[in-house]
Amino acid sequence: DIVMTQSPDSLAVSLGERATITCRSSQSVLYSSNNRNSLAWYQQKPGQPPKLLIYWASTRESGVPDRFSGGGSGTDFTLTISSLQAEDVAVYYCQQYYSTPPTFGQGTKVEIK
Amino acid sequence: EVQLLESGGGLVQPGGSLRLSCAASGFTFSSHGMSWVRQAQEKGREWVSSISGSGGLTYYADSVKGRFTVSRDNSKNTLYLQMNSLRAEDTAVYYCAKIGATGLWYFDLWGRGTLVTVSS
Repeated sequence: DIVMTQSPDSLAVSLGERATITCRSSQSVLYSSNNRNSLAWYQQKPGQPPKLLIYWASTRESGVPDRFSGGGSGTDFTLTISSLQAEDVAVYYCQQYYSTPPTFGQGTKVEIK
Repeated sequence: EVQLLESGGGLVQPGGSLRLSCAASGFTFSSHGMSWVRQAQEKGREWVSSISGSGGLTYYADSVKGRFTVSRDNSKNTLYLQMNSLRAEDTAVYYCAKIGATGLWYFDLWGRGTLVTVSS
């Protein structure tokens, strides 16, 4: 199974500042048939279901604010919130869908400093 | 409204059985693969099972293979997970999730989850 490791486990950022989460996979998730990385990011707020933010490592899901961006390739990926808003307080997860079973990172909790 | 609503969780003794349901609305249910994903407290999120839109293809994590069965009733827009021979380590919140694209197991819609507790 591909192991997904996120860092840090928690992050406190001031309102309006940048927040960056890192996700590393134990092997490459680059899908050779389309040269895209099989990596998704999710947001889960307290008491709410998880929400897909980004897939193919950098494609924003419809309706997701453009302050959220994904980057990276191969085994190293980032989720960046360019200007943290109060409503962004949540736990963020990465997930690879390159191979079965799909596997998730342990989550990164983002809070307001 | 596009949503998934799980039900059927509860407290069950080790070795017991439970059936989870997930009612879908707001999209063409039969056109989409569906999955179950669970999260135990203090543990990571774990994929459990997936099923194709027609129901003809099913997939399981090694940890539940032979004990859990995924199925769907497209006439009722409902996904199921039959869980037998339950163990303490199956204790978790179980989420149903809609697969984002055929053959690509990212999940573009999730339910709120239902708690399964396996304990004597």
